[in-house]
Amino acid sequence: EAAVTQSPRNKVTVTGGNVTLSCRQTNSHNYMYWYRQDTGHGLRLIHYSYGAGNLQIGDVPDGYKATRTTQEDFFLLLELASPSQTSLYFCASSGQYEQYFGPGTRLTVL
Amino acid sequence: QEKVQQSPESLIVPEGAMVSLNCSFSDSASQSIWWYQQHPGKGPKALISIFSNGNKKEGRLTVYLNRASLHVSLHIKDSQPSDSAVYLCAVEDTGNYKYVFGAGTRLKVIA
Repeated sequence: EAAVTQSPRNKVTVTGGNVTLSCRQTNSHNYMYWYRQDTGHGLRLIHYSYGAGNLQIGDVPDGYKATRTTQEDFFLLLELASPSQTSLYFCASSGQYEQYFGPGTRLTVL
Repeated sequence: QEKVQQSPESLIVPEGAMVSLNCSFSDSASQSIWWYQQHPGKGPKALISIFSNGNKKEGRLTVYLNRASLHVSLHIKDSQPSDSAVYLCAVEDTGNYKYVFGAGTRLKVIA
């Protein structure tokens, strides 16, 4: 079974704070994704990548940066967190077929 | 940009019922379409996919795709309480490995 892990699982920060969410996959997949999930909106794509050093813009990128340092590791950065970024964040990896999701990180911005 | 809408928003059925979930999308040139299941507190898990017009059956699941009407449906036969979850429809955006998800249908199967 493909494996995707995320850390931290829960995070509380204040408005204006810096936050880094981490994702690691051990599937040797080329594609990795960051989504946010909010009630009524489903999963919305923030950024994605098809390999180390590559970054593609998703559908809701404002206020987020991302970096893919290796085939395994994909990071999401919030440099000036705002309350509107309070959400459940999921990372996923994919080869040619389905996406495999991590367990999620719940972020609260006060 | 691809738009994906799911209906109904929620559904409650008795155990053993046939469940039908609907998904409409905006781009007939979209590539593969996936259905995912998400239990509370978990990440989504892929269930079944379809690419070509027609239907595909896997166990208790059947998916139907009609690109002309921009519609795909998922049918769950003999539903079980363990099927209670949110079901997400995901449509690939024209071959670039980017997917657009619907808001989901929340299913509850009552024993």
